[in-house]
Amino acid sequence: QQQVKQSPQSLIVQKGGISIINCAYENTAFDYFPWYQQFPGKGPALLIAIRPDVSEKKEGRFTISFNKSAKQFSLHIMDSQPGDSATYFCAASMNSGGSNYKLTFGKGTLLTVNP
Amino acid sequence: EAGVAQSPRYKIIEKRQSVAFWCNPISGHATLYWYQQILGQGPKLLIQFQNNGVVDDSQLPKDRFSAERLKGVDSTLKIQPAKLEDSAVYLCASSLRIFGTDTQYFGPGTRLTVL
Repeated sequence: QQQVKQSPQSLIVQKGGISIINCAYENTAFDYFPWYQQFPGKGPALLIAIRPDVSEKKEGRFTISFNKSAKQFSLHIMDSQPGDSATYFCAASMNSGGSNYKLTFGKGTLLTVNP
Repeated sequence: EAGVAQSPRYKIIEKRQSVAFWCNPISGHATLYWYQQILGQGPKLLIQFQNNGVVDDSQLPKDRFSAERLKGVDSTLKIQPAKLEDSAVYLCASSLRIFGTDTQYFGPGTRLTVL
C-alpha cells in the first residue's frame, strides 16, 4: 500500500526555470509533511517541511504548497540551478502508537537542471 | 557537529551469507532509525529505537533481519541469511527526540549487493 504518491518520476528543467514536484497522500491522519533532498552517494537531508494548518511555506527559493482538502502538496523550486540536481522525496508522518511518529516516503523525483 | 556515521560504505556478498552494518548516530540523539532504500524507491523504515529500546519494528523481516542498540548509542543491523532481494542501500538516521517533527539526520548509507 503506497500511502504517499509522488510525481513525476523524473524532471528536466533549464537553469532559471521553475521545478514543480507533486505528492498526494491518502491517510488524513498525516500531520507533518517534509521534503528531503538526496545527492548521489549521500543520505537524504531535510529541505523544508509544512504542517497542515498552513497552505504555503517558503524558504529561499523553495516553497511548499499544501491543499488539505485535495490531500495534495507540492514543492516549487524557483530559479532552479544546476546544483539543485538531485533526487527529491516527499514524506508524511503521523502520530502512531503513543508518541511514535513514522515517516512514509514517496518514491522520489530525479531532478536534472541543465545549465 | 559530526553527522551520522555508517560503515562499511559498500558490501558485496553471496546469497545465504550473513552481513552486518554499523551506525553511530549524532551525539545526544535519543532516537535511531534503520531504513532500507531499494533502487528507485524512497526509504522504508525497518526499525526505530528510542535509547536502547525498540519502538517500532513492524516492517523488519524478523526471520532474517535483526538489530540492536545495546548502550543506547551506536547500533548494528544484521542480515542472516541474505537474499537477492536484500540488495539495497541501508540508511541509518537519528533524531534528537522521538517526535515526528524532529528532523531526522541521515548517514551516507551502506550499499549492499547480494549476488
